[in-house]
Amino acid sequence: DAKTTQPNSMESNEEEPVHLPCNHSTISGTDYIHWYRQLPSQGPEYVIHGLTSNVNNRMASLAIAEDRKSSTLILHRATLRDAAVYYCIPLTGANNLFFGTGTRLTVIP
Amino acid sequence: EPEVTQTPSHQVTQMGQEVILRCVPISNHLYFYWYRQILGQKVEFLVSFYNNEISEKSEIFDDQFSVERPDGSNFTLKIRSTKLEDSAMYFCASKKTGGANYGYTFGSGTRLTVV
Repeated sequence: DAKTTQPNSMESNEEEPVHLPCNHSTISGTDYIHWYRQLPSQGPEYVIHGLTSNVNNRMASLAIAEDRKSSTLILHRATLRDAAVYYCIPLTGANNLFFGTGTRLTVIP
Repeated sequence: EPEVTQTPSHQVTQMGQEVILRCVPISNHLYFYWYRQILGQKVEFLVSFYNNEISEKSEIFDDQFSVERPDGSNFTLKIRSTKLEDSAMYFCASKKTGGANYGYTFGSGTRLTVV
């Protein structure tokens, strides 16, 4: 399984963009890059995933480096509701989802 | 938006008792999972289930644990004889396909407290 490195914690001011980095230098060519988040006292929540190209959805954008060894989850305008632990998880079809320790995002009003 | 539903939200049980945690996955999903999270720790994989059988299980999922899909809608996790260290949040998840090009949908969890 590919290993990931994420900052333990980050802070952002409300209504400002947030860039959450993830290094996954051992990622294989078939691994998709998944991002999930866990709000306090809730279950994990799917955010976005991609393979090679940058991806956008209603929640966030995912920017994937050309060499795929890193990616960045972009929240365009952080709200208080975005305060959560964010997990970057490389995933192949043969594997199950395994969570690391993630990045705890604090949003400052 | 379709949801994964888990019941009960909180269960308190005596050590040594059997518990059954229930989940209703999204109706057209084919892959089902149980995870647990001990307070303050990581979310841990327990078991995956497809086509009415276990696909993969972790070391945590020992003989005290079992899963079942008793009908077309429910997916259950049974702990046969609970221990204090089984106290945790248990999350059910489902996925439409087996590939990696699809997200998992998680339920809001059952908090199990063993006393």
